[in-house]
Amino acid sequence: AQKVTQAQTEISVVEKEDVTLDCVYETRDTTYYLFWYKQPPSGELVFLIRRNSFDEQNEISGRYSWNFQKSTSSFNFTITASQVVDSAVYFCALSDKSNQAGTALIFGKGTTLSVSS
Amino acid sequence: DSGVTQTPKHLITATGQRVTLRCSPRSGDLSVYWYQQSLDQGLQFLIQYYNGEERAKGNILERFSAQQFPDLHSELNLSSLELGDSALYFCASSVGSALNTEAFFGQGTRLTVV
Repeated sequence: AQKVTQAQTEISVVEKEDVTLDCVYETRDTTYYLFWYKQPPSGELVFLIRRNSFDEQNEISGRYSWNFQKSTSSFNFTITASQVVDSAVYFCALSDKSNQAGTALIFGKGTTLSVSS
Repeated sequence: DSGVTQTPKHLITATGQRVTLRCSPRSGDLSVYWYQQSLDQGLQFLIQYYNGEERAKGNILERFSAQQFPDLHSELNLSSLELGDSALYFCASSVGSALNTEAFFGQGTRLTVV
């Protein structure tokens, strides 16, 4: 069955520390997409990144970087030099075709990141 | 601002009642998705519409129904409400319906059933 596991429920760091959020997924699909979303205290879900299953190159966007390893079914997210504004719940998600004409996202339970000054 | 508009932002209603949540997708997006976020179940996919047609169905209760109108806005109808239906309901939209399409989420409607 399709599944996304974010084993870290909560992480607390001090500003300027680096932090890595783990994501492990399970899927039978050969083609799939992985996503990260951020949910700040205001509640909306903000799209951060999409990665397809054929592209294992790491990606960096400013202080954010993502490490996709198909061999270990992981798609980890690192924030470098964390800031208070990074405090949020972060969700990893997996595309789910499930033999339907459309698509859905399967979300992990989320990791709550608290960055203190 | 994602461009996806959900109304109302907050809704308080009694058990047994029926409510309608509304979603206007981003301009140009043909797909609309509904998700439910609750403390115990997390974020769960409910249903997807693409250009007016149902495309995918998730863990949506029979008491819940949705539709997408010709102007592409969507409504999620929740009936015979129970306390356990209290949750944050998100609408998302995307251009297409394919696996590689990222979905942009609205700010959600917080439903409280008392």
